[in-house]
Amino acid sequence: AQSVTQPDIHITVSEGASLELRCNYSYGATPYLFWYVQSPGQGLQLLLKYFSGDTLVQGIKGFEAEFKRSQSSFNLRKPSVHWSDAAEYFCAVGYSGGYNKLIFGAGTRLAVHP
Amino acid sequence: GAGVSQSPSNKVTEKGKDVELRCDPISGHTALYWYRQSLGQGLEFLIYFQGNSAPDKSGLPSDRFSAERTGGSVSTLTIQRTQQEDSAVYLCASSLSIGGGGETQYFGPGTRLLVL
Repeated sequence: AQSVTQPDIHITVSEGASLELRCNYSYGATPYLFWYVQSPGQGLQLLLKYFSGDTLVQGIKGFEAEFKRSQSSFNLRKPSVHWSDAAEYFCAVGYSGGYNKLIFGAGTRLAVHP
Repeated sequence: GAGVSQSPSNKVTEKGKDVELRCDPISGHTALYWYRQSLGQGLEFLIYFQGNSAPDKSGLPSDRFSAERTGGSVSTLTIQRTQQEDSAVYLCASSLSIGGGGETQYFGPGTRLLVL
């Protein structure tokens, strides 16, 4: 069965520091992979997604993620964090060849210190 | 254009009462999803609608939960005889089509349900 693991429940970084949020998935075929961000009181906003091709994906707000098939990972990165990046981040995997049900990880809550 | 809207934004109810949550998808989106986000949990898939096809109800946690989608647009999620464990944020999402499984889902702001 598909599953998504986000090992870090909470992460705190200083503003301007680099960020990496980890995501590991379990899926037998090539997955579709997504990162969403949820700010307090807001719905989820898509940051980026991977379907195929280049394994380094660029997203909005300066985020990028790299798909590593050998490690079953899709880690999210940002070179310099801004205070406005404080939010909860969700990794999700979708079926290929089927409909679009997403399996989400439990989320990583990011705090940013000034 | 307008995004996915949900109402009410907050709902407080007493245990045993029925509640209805509403979702208005983005115009033209044929696929509609309901998810549940419990405290400290990720999002849990509940149900999926695509056009006039029979919905995928595989994620509904019990027969107290049901959903319908009228005219291929607005959807209502109904929880009967609410229990305290139903307290959660209920999120609705829509996407353009089923395609190959990679369409972006656009999420509404959610309905925060509290069962006392």
